[in-house]
Amino acid sequence: GAVVSQHPSRVICKSGTSVKIECRSLDFQATTMFWYRQFPKQSLMLMATSNEGSKATYEQGVEKDKFLINHASLTLSTLTVTSAHPEDSSFYICSARGTGGGGNQPQHFGDGTRLSIL
Amino acid sequence: AQKITQTQPGMFVQEKEAVTLDCTYDTSDQSYGLFWYKQPSSGEMIFLIYQGSYDEQNATEGRYSLNFQKARKSANLVISASQLGDSAMYFCAMREPNQAGTALIFGKGTTLSVSS
Repeated sequence: GAVVSQHPSRVICKSGTSVKIECRSLDFQATTMFWYRQFPKQSLMLMATSNEGSKATYEQGVEKDKFLINHASLTLSTLTVTSAHPEDSSFYICSARGTGGGGNQPQHFGDGTRLSIL
Repeated sequence: AQKITQTQPGMFVQEKEAVTLDCTYDTSDQSYGLFWYKQPSSGEMIFLIYQGSYDEQNATEGRYSLNFQKARKSANLVISASQLGDSAMYFCAMREPNQAGTALIFGKGTTLSVSS
């Protein structure tokens, strides 16, 4: 089945550091990938939609200069949290869907990245 | 207004019993997809079941079934014969319109606890 790989799974770093998270579709091409953020015991909140070869579309309230998204190929999207601060600590999870198939194709999720900023 | 509403923050069920997790949705689109995902404490999102807005029959996948009532805009998940491993957070999600480039919007989730 379709697999999405997300790396790293956990990051602990100092305030002010920039952190890059990678999301790869391993056995399918993903024109579109999605980035979500989840606080403990809460829902997944869509941050942005990442389109291959074009600028990402950010949801209202998400700072595009803080959360840089690059989707340089059909199998890789990256999220960079720039100058991270403790309030950026969260669980970040990406998802992707193949380009083919009907509406019943689910989104496949990476295993997520737990980001802790000290 | 919320697109997806899950009114049960937590549910408790005994092993081997069935449980229903509620989900209502709000959309004016004719084409939409409804999904249920399971999230264990480890964090990964596991796809369980899908129902398309044009599907006339309720979806079933093993022990999971979706009670789709279109007029009421509800898509409840029924888990039969609960197992201890079913303890997790469950999210209802919707995609509208039901196309590849559209993100899923999630409800707040229901934490299911299965006891022996």
